[in-house]
Amino acid sequence: EIVMTQSPATLSVSPGERATLSCRASQSVSSNLAWYQQKPGQAPRLLIYGASTRATGIPARFSGSGSGTEFTLTISSLQSEDFAVYYCQQYNNWPLWTFGQGTKVEIK
Amino acid sequence: QVQLVESGGGVVQPGGSLRLSCAASGFTFSSYGMHWVRQAPGKGLEWVAFIRYDGSNKYYADSVKGRFTISRDNSKNTLYLQMNSLRAEDTAVYYCAKDSSTSCCDAFDIWGQGTMVTVSS
Repeated sequence: EIVMTQSPATLSVSPGERATLSCRASQSVSSNLAWYQQKPGQAPRLLIYGASTRATGIPARFSGSGSGTEFTLTISSLQSEDFAVYYCQQYNNWPLWTFGQGTKVEIK
Repeated sequence: QVQLVESGGGVVQPGGSLRLSCAASGFTFSSYGMHWVRQAPGKGLEWVAFIRYDGSNKYYADSVKGRFTISRDNSKNTLYLQMNSLRAEDTAVYYCAKDSSTSCCDAFDIWGQGTMVTVSS
């Protein structure tokens, strides 16, 4: 099983600032990595797939990078609606899809 | 409008059974693989099961293998999860999610709103 490790667990950021979230895979997942956003009481929403491609309707302030085992999600200028929990997920090693434990982005 | 709507959650005693449903609309259901993902209270996401577009292959997480069965009825645009021998640790919100690839496998691009399953005596 590929273990996905996200850091930090919690990120405190002021509105308008940049947020950088990290995700590490225990072995290479190539570029088969996705990022999801989840707000309280809501289902996850796909933000990024293929490590760097924004999903439909996702604002340009969200960007993803990386390949192999190291990945980053960057939110260039945090808006109030961006405070949420973010999960990375690998889909390279199917049929065993695995998620990271999540990073909570909170208001500083 | 592309949509997934789960139903069937509830409270069940340990050892009991429950069947979840997920009604799909707004896309060609029969062309896509489908997943179940769960989230225990206050915890992260855990993939549970996957079924190919035509039902030909099914895969399960080790934590549910032998107890849960995923199935689909393409004529009804509906995905199912039969859960038997339920345990307290199965307590979670269960989401159905669409695979974004018509082959297999890719990111999960559409999610339902979830249905809560509580296993408790």
